Amino acid sequence: DVVMTQSPLSLPVTLGQAASISCKSSQSLVHSDGDTYLSWFQQRPGLSPRRLIYQVSNRDSGVPDRFSGSGSDTDFTLKISRVEAEDVGVYYCMQGSHWPPYTFGQGTKLEIK
Amino acid sequence: EVQLVESGGGLVQPGGSLRLSCAASGFTFGDYWMTWVRQAPGKGLEWVANIKQDESQKFYVDSVKGRFTISRDNANNSLYLQMNSLRVEDTAVYYCVNVFSGHWGQGTLVAVSS
Repeated sequence: DVVMTQSPLSLPVTLGQAASISCKSSQSLVHSDGDTYLSWFQQRPGLSPRRLIYQVSNRDSGVPDRFSGSGSDTDFTLKISRVEAEDVGVYYCMQGSHWPPYTFGQGTKLEIK
Repeated sequence: EVQLVESGGGLVQPGGSLRLSCAASGFTFGDYWMTWVRQAPGKGLEWVANIKQDESQKFYVDSVKGRFTISRDNANNSLYLQMNSLRVEDTAVYYCVNVFSGHWGQGTLVAVSS
């Protein structure tokens, strides 16, 4: 199984400042079809996860452009350019290139300083 | 608007059974693989099972193999998870997910306790 490792696990951020979350996979996430199936999810307190980014860098509909995804092979990053209060929650990466199983990172808890 | 609405959760004793349902709307349900993901209290996300559009392929996480069965009814836009021989460690919120489109349901809580 592909192991997904996120860092940091806790991320205190000042409002208006940038934030960055790393996600590393135990093997390359390049699928045999050439695409890379790495997604990012946001889970606000008490709510279901919401997908923000798919295939490394594609924002889902309605996701603010302050969220961006980047990376390749085994190293991926989610960046928030200017953190707002509504961004508080837990962020997960997930790989869908080598399944079963789909595997998730441990989660990164973003809080406001 | 895409909606995934889970139901069927509840409190059950170890060794008991539950059947979860997910009612889908707002997209062509029969065109997509569907997935169950769970989240134990205060923990992260864990993929549980997948089912192909025509039910010809089904996959399960090792910890539920032989106990859980995923199924679907495309005519009624519904996804199911039959859970037998439940264990305390199966306690979690169970989400119905369309991984391709990125849509999740609101989840249904399954609590296994004596």
